[in-house]
Amino acid sequence: GDSVTQMEGPVTLSEEAFLTINCTYTATGYPSLFWYVQYPGEGLQLLLKATKADDKGSNKGFEATYRKETTSFHLEKGSVQVSDSAVYFCALSVRSGGYQKVTFGTGTKLQVIP
Amino acid sequence: DGGITQSPKYLFRKEGQNVTLSCEQNLNHDAMYWYRQDPGQGLRLIYYSQIVNDFQKGDIAEGYSVSREKKESFPLTVTSAQKNPTAFYLCASSQRGQSTDTQYFGPGTRLTVL
Repeated sequence: GDSVTQMEGPVTLSEEAFLTINCTYTATGYPSLFWYVQYPGEGLQLLLKATKADDKGSNKGFEATYRKETTSFHLEKGSVQVSDSAVYFCALSVRSGGYQKVTFGTGTKLQVIP
Repeated sequence: DGGITQSPKYLFRKEGQNVTLSCEQNLNHDAMYWYRQDPGQGLRLIYYSQIVNDFQKGDIAEGYSVSREKKESFPLTVTSAQKNPTAFYLCASSQRGQSTDTQYFGPGTRLTVL
């Protein structure tokens, strides 16, 4: 079946450090790929997405490129801020049985210290 | 503003009681979903609905029930048959027919069984 693997956290960085959160996937067909962010006690917010190979999703300084050859969708940010502290979920979406089935990774907690 | 609302934010239940979680969206989306989130885990799909008066079981439907009488509403009932109901519950919606069917999430309801 489909699956998403994320690096385990927590990831602790100093403010203005470079961020990479690794995400790899296994899927049948041609999935769309997503990064969601969850702040404490809240729901998931869409951060960025990519729908086909070599697409780059970007938002709020975060970027991720859909790499079909390595089945990866790593999240990067050049300079993190304390306000980026949250849990980040990688996800894939494929059409299955007439509906869009989403498979989530287990999440990576990011802690940014001043 | 368009969005998804869930109520209540916190819910406490005694063992043996049924409880209903509310989910309302004004995004005019056709599809709606219920997920369960446990600490340190990804999201697991409970039920989904693609159109009014139709819904399907997800991966962990046992002990839960839903209805979809209106396009904007998709309430979830946690029954006494659910053996471990304490969790964070997230509702989501998406627009059918779009290539990516991006899911958008509500703020969640935290259910605690006493």
